[in-house]
Amino acid sequence: EPEVTQTPSHQVTQMGQEVILRCVPISNHLYFYWYRQILGQKVEFLVSFYNNEISEKSEIFDDQFSVERPDGSNFTLKIRSTKLEDSAMYFCASSNTGADTQYFGPGTRLTVL
Amino acid sequence: QKEVEQDPGPLSVPEGAIVSLNCTYSNSAFQYFMWYRQYSRKGPELLMYTYSSGNKEDGRFTAQVDKSSKYISLFIRDSQPSDSATYLCAMMNYGGSQGNLIFGKGTKLSVKP
Repeated sequence: EPEVTQTPSHQVTQMGQEVILRCVPISNHLYFYWYRQILGQKVEFLVSFYNNEISEKSEIFDDQFSVERPDGSNFTLKIRSTKLEDSAMYFCASSNTGADTQYFGPGTRLTVL
Repeated sequence: QKEVEQDPGPLSVPEGAIVSLNCTYSNSAFQYFMWYRQYSRKGPELLMYTYSSGNKEDGRFTAQVDKSSKYISLFIRDSQPSDSATYLCAMMNYGGSQGNLIFGKGTKLSVKP
C-alpha cells in the first residue's frame, strides 16, 4: 500500500541553524501539506502546496519557513533559523484532490537545543 | 470558543466494551469530517472519512456527523487492546481552495485486557 515517507525520523539542531525536513508523498497525489504537533498539543496546519506553489498557509508559517518540491517526488520544509519553540513533530501529508483524504507520514521529530 | 473541542480523556475501558468518542465544533462551514488514530510519537492514521451529515460504518467503527448540532462521534464496537491509542477528530472546509485540516486535541483511549 502506498504511503507517505519522511526523513529523518529525528533531527537535533542548535538554535539559529537551518534545517530541511524531507517528505516523499504518495506518487499520484497532487496536494501536499505540512503540519506540526508540539508535544501534548494539537496537530496544527502549517502550509498546503499545489501546482508548485503555496495555496494556503497559517500564521505559524512565517518568513522563517519555506517549502519546495525540488523534483517529481520530494517535498521539503525548510526552517531558516530555528528557535527553541520550533521543537515539535512535523508531519507531511498528501491527498489526491483538495477535498480528499489526507494521508500522513510518520513524522520528523525536531529538537532545537 | 475553540474551533474544535475534544475531551482529552484519558478514557479507560475493558476489552469488548463499546467506546464512544466525540467532538464539537463551532464553524458551520465544515463539510468534511475525519477520525484519525495516532499511536505515541507516530503519524495520524486515517480511520474514517465522512462528507456532510450522516453515518458511516467500517467494520467495528461507526462515524456519525450531526451538522445541525455541530457534533461528530466515533463508535468502536468490541474494543480490543490494540485499539489503545489517541483518537483525533479533524474537519475541513473545502471551498475552492486546498482545505487544511483543523484537529481536535485528541482523546487518549486505553483498552484493558
